[in-house]
Amino acid sequence: GAVVSQHPSWVICKSGTSVKIECRSLDFQATTMFWYRQFPKQSLMLMATSNEGSKATYEQGVEKDKFLINHASLTLSTLTVTSAHPEDSSFYICSARDTGYTFGSGTRLTVV
Amino acid sequence: AQSVTQPDIHITVSEGASLELRCNYSYGATPYLFWYVQSPGQGLQLLLKYFSGDTLVQGIKGFEAEFKRSQSSFNLRKPSVHWSDAAEYFCAVGPMNRDDKIIFGKGTRLHILP
Repeated sequence: GAVVSQHPSWVICKSGTSVKIECRSLDFQATTMFWYRQFPKQSLMLMATSNEGSKATYEQGVEKDKFLINHASLTLSTLTVTSAHPEDSSFYICSARDTGYTFGSGTRLTVV
Repeated sequence: AQSVTQPDIHITVSEGASLELRCNYSYGATPYLFWYVQSPGQGLQLLLKYFSGDTLVQGIKGFEAEFKRSQSSFNLRKPSVHWSDAAEYFCAVGPMNRDDKIIFGKGTRLHILP
């Protein structure tokens, strides 16, 4: 079946630095990928829709300058959290659509 | 408005007992329905999906779900739960033919009693 690989699984960074998270579709091409954020014991909150070769579409309330999304190829989308702060600490999950929606294993970001 | 409702935040069942997790949806077009499971600190794993055809869908790990259009429901069932089924379960609805976002319910946390 379809596989989405997400790296890193966890990352700890200092406040003020930037962190990049990668999402790859391993055996299919994905023109569209989705980035979610999940707070503890809560559901997934869609942050943005990543479109290959064009600008991402951000959900209301999500800062596009803080959460930079790049979808340069049909198999790779990246999310960069810029100038990270402790409140950005969260679980980030990507998803890509093939015949359904396949999710990566998530990235636990901790900003100290 | 498009929405997914999972009325039960927590459910506790004994190991070996049957399980039903409820899901109701509101969606303007013909829906594409999903159930996902999430273990702590992990991503989401697809249990099953309904696109069309037989309204009783079989999934992995012994789960099944039944699509009832008249009730706008897509309840998840398992005849006999195992301790390893303890996790968070999410129902979701999305478009069939477009690369558009899916909408998640708030999730149901399943607890298993030994």
